Parts: sequence; C-alpha cells; structure tokens
Amino acid sequence: AQSVTQLGSHVSVSEGALVLLRCNYSSSVPPYLFWYVQYPNQGLQLLLKYTTGATLVKGINGFEAEFKKSETSFHLTKPSAHMSDAAEYFCAVRTNQAGTALIFGKGTTLSVSS
Amino acid sequence: DAGITQSPRHKVTETGTPVTLRCHQTENHRYMYWYRQDPGHGLRLIHYSYGVKDTDKGEVSDGYSVSRSKTEDFLLTLESATSSQTSVYFCAISETGARSDTQYFGPGTRLTVL
Repeated sequence: AQSVTQLGSHVSVSEGALVLLRCNYSSSVPPYLFWYVQYPNQGLQLLLKYTTGATLVKGINGFEAEFKKSETSFHLTKPSAHMSDAAEYFCAVRTNQAGTALIFGKGTTLSVSS
Repeated sequence: DAGITQSPRHKVTETGTPVTLRCHQTENHRYMYWYRQDPGHGLRLIHYSYGVKDTDKGEVSDGYSVSRSKTEDFLLTLESATSSQTSVYFCAISETGARSDTQYFGPGTRLTVL
C-alpha cells in the first residue's frame, strides 16, 4: 500500500525567500511521485513528477523536487518565492492498484507576503 | 490544457434527491477518475473507469455509482444525496493508466447538499 504525508498544513514565506514544502511517502513498490498546485477555485495543475532516472526533477514556475529514497522524501523547493506562488500544493504517489489512481497528501497552503 | 469539462460547476440540492455530475473529455484517454476533495483530507478516489463500460470502486465509493457509455463521458451519480456528500468533485483523465502517466484534472464541481 502507498501513502503520503505532507508536513505542515500551512507555510508562510516572504517574497524572495526560499520555499520548502515537505512530503514523505510510503510505498511497497518503487514510487512514482507527483506535485500538483491548486489555485483558488481551480482544478489541479501538475508541477512536476518523478518516475525513474534523475532524482532531481525540475518543473514549471521554477519549482523543483528531489527524490531521496533513503529518506522516503520528495520535498518541493523554489529558490525565490513570488506572490503568484500563493496556492495549495499537493504531493501524491501513484498506486499500483485501483486503476493506478493517485494517493494524495492532505495539502499544504503556501502564503507569500510582501 | 487538457480538454476536460465538468458540469454543472456548482450545484445546491436537498438531502434525498438524486444528483448526476458529468465529466467530458476531448483527449480520447482511456482512464477516467472521480475524486472528492474535502478540507484536511486532500483528494480521495471515488470510482474510476478503464474503458467503456469498465468501472471499479475506489477508496470512498459508498453512496456513489458511475457509468461510462462513451469514451468521452464519465458520469457520477449520487442516488440519494446526503449532507456528508457536500464536497468538491474532480474528474481526472489518464491516457494509458501506466503509473508514470500524468493525470490531468478538470475544473471541479462544487456540490452542496442541504
């Protein structure tokens, strides 16, 4: 079975500061990991994904994430926050059951202040 | 953006009434999913489909049924709506269902059951 834990339901940063959103996973099979972003009253948009190969994954809007098997982590980072990054972020792992649906974490709301 | 539409986008209904939500895709993807999003829970899988007339249950399927008579349409029915089914419902599609495959999400339907 797979599961995802996002540490911190709310993260606040200043504009220009480092963004770090934490995600740990549990998986009995090699994990396929995803980060999605949700802006208010919108659907989910894929930021990046890790399947196999390079463990540092670059995504849209300057975000990146590093897969660390030894730590069972897939933390999301961005060197310099922008006001437009304020949104809710979801980490997810793809299952090998149930049509390979996604198992989501509970989400982290990112606030960016000027 | 993936061609996914959901209808209606907003609905208010009363306890005990039937409700049907529609997901329509123009991508000809094989897999379709229904998730519900609730505060503090992230997104959870209700049902999924792996082809026309091929559907199966997800984590939170009680009280819901689905149908898929055409590749492009996936319907979610609440036979007798309850207040616990007040939620935001998202449809997602995936081309092959492979674990590395990206899931694309629709804009969501906000359902309120009074």
